[in-house]
Amino acid sequence: QVHLVQSGAELKRPGASVKVSCKTSNYTFTDYYIHWVRQAPGQGLEWMGWSNPHSGDAGPGQKFQGRLTMTTDTSISTAYMVLSSLTSDDTAIYYCAKDTYSWSDQADGFDLWGQGTLVSVSS
Amino acid sequence: SSELTQDPAVSVALGQTVTITCQGASLTKYYAGWYQQKPGQAPVLVWYGRKNRPSGIPDRFSGSSSGNTASLTITGAQAEDEADYYCSSRDSSGYHRVFGGGTKLTV
Repeated sequence: QVHLVQSGAELKRPGASVKVSCKTSNYTFTDYYIHWVRQAPGQGLEWMGWSNPHSGDAGPGQKFQGRLTMTTDTSISTAYMVLSSLTSDDTAIYYCAKDTYSWSDQADGFDLWGQGTLVSVSS
Repeated sequence: SSELTQDPAVSVALGQTVTITCQGASLTKYYAGWYQQKPGQAPVLVWYGRKNRPSGIPDRFSGSSSGNTASLTITGAQAEDEADYYCSSRDSSGYHRVFGGGTKLTV
């Protein structure tokens, strides 16, 4: 069974950076993009960016450009997200999600999700 | 603000049919995916594209698309379907993804 297992909760001070890992198993890591999505308390889902384990490329969303870094380590099938210059507005649950793609109708979605990592930012 | 628009809340009687909609300009070019999220849990993909229901999702869930609107229909809603539902698609550039604001479904 395919798994995405994320690192544990983090408490950070404003201005600091946080690194969240997403270890995958039981599928070919380099075949599918990994996306990062966050959810602030009581709010909806917010897409942050994608990373391509095959090429090493990454595409942060416009809101996060300049402070979101996404990487992958194919030797251990793990994706990482680093968000810098944290503020209280970054307090949220952060999810990694595996991409899927249907060639018959050229549709995509996030078919598997990590369990989420709570990042709290407070002084 | 989100580029995909959803009604904040919808209700349905047990066993009846309900449709949740998602509107956005990018939906004229790209299909939507639909996610169910229950309190304290990660989202679950329940439908994507024109005809894709992931393994393990009950066949009472189905999706459709017309113009700038994507729809998720639950035929014979069950109590366990009470949850938040989010649509997602590519943005107008096709390079990034975006989520709708979510719809709270009450059964």
